[in-house]
Amino acid sequence: KNEVEQSPQNLTAQEGEFITINCSYSVGISALHWLQQHPGGGIVSLFMLSSGKKKHGRLIATINIQEKHSSLHITASHPRDSAVYICAGMGFTDKLIFGTGTRLQVFP
Amino acid sequence: EAQVTQNPRYLITVTGKKLTVTCSQNMNHEYMSWYRQDPGLGLRQIYYSMNVEVTDKGDVPEGYKVSRKEKRNFPLILESPSPNQTSLYFCASSLGTGSNQPQHFGDGTRLSIL
Repeated sequence: KNEVEQSPQNLTAQEGEFITINCSYSVGISALHWLQQHPGGGIVSLFMLSSGKKKHGRLIATINIQEKHSSLHITASHPRDSAVYICAGMGFTDKLIFGTGTRLQVFP
Repeated sequence: EAQVTQNPRYLITVTGKKLTVTCSQNMNHEYMSWYRQDPGLGLRQIYYSMNVEVTDKGDVPEGYKVSRKEKRNFPLILESPSPNQTSLYFCASSLGTGSNQPQHFGDGTRLSIL
């Protein structure tokens, strides 16, 4: 069992739909990253959070420390949101442990 | 412009021929790290460094070396590359590891070892 699990692995949506990607972790972490990787391969950091909720535009990330669970929400999804979304936990030894990613495709 | 620069972007080479992938950042970041990305396995950390002259093994350090002689540079060295090191490699840096210190990634290096 991976220390960081994401679900679903693949997700398709129609433009405008509300999307949720889940991340559960079984190890102690100091912070959780949400990353976005576009088809061209580049990786961008979306959020880094250790408690509560963060919002940036149409993206919202939440984390529940007690339940060891984080979610990434996309409101009013758009085809340009199509990408692989990756969560990663920063361990207390400063090692980063990645989930295997969620491939999102948003169709017009 | 704040950035993490990796070179080369693409490399095809042969088994056993030593190679170095360079990584440089211009943001005065303390933390630097190398990752490899493989289909079905996702991203995995190879080595990381919290500061100059401090390096630590990640999850898959075998077959790799790193050095951090200067704050801005963190080269990845493959002393004797083998085909199982064919992968997409990313370097990243951040100010630290706190929750308001996101990682900045390089554009990636696609390495093929024949």
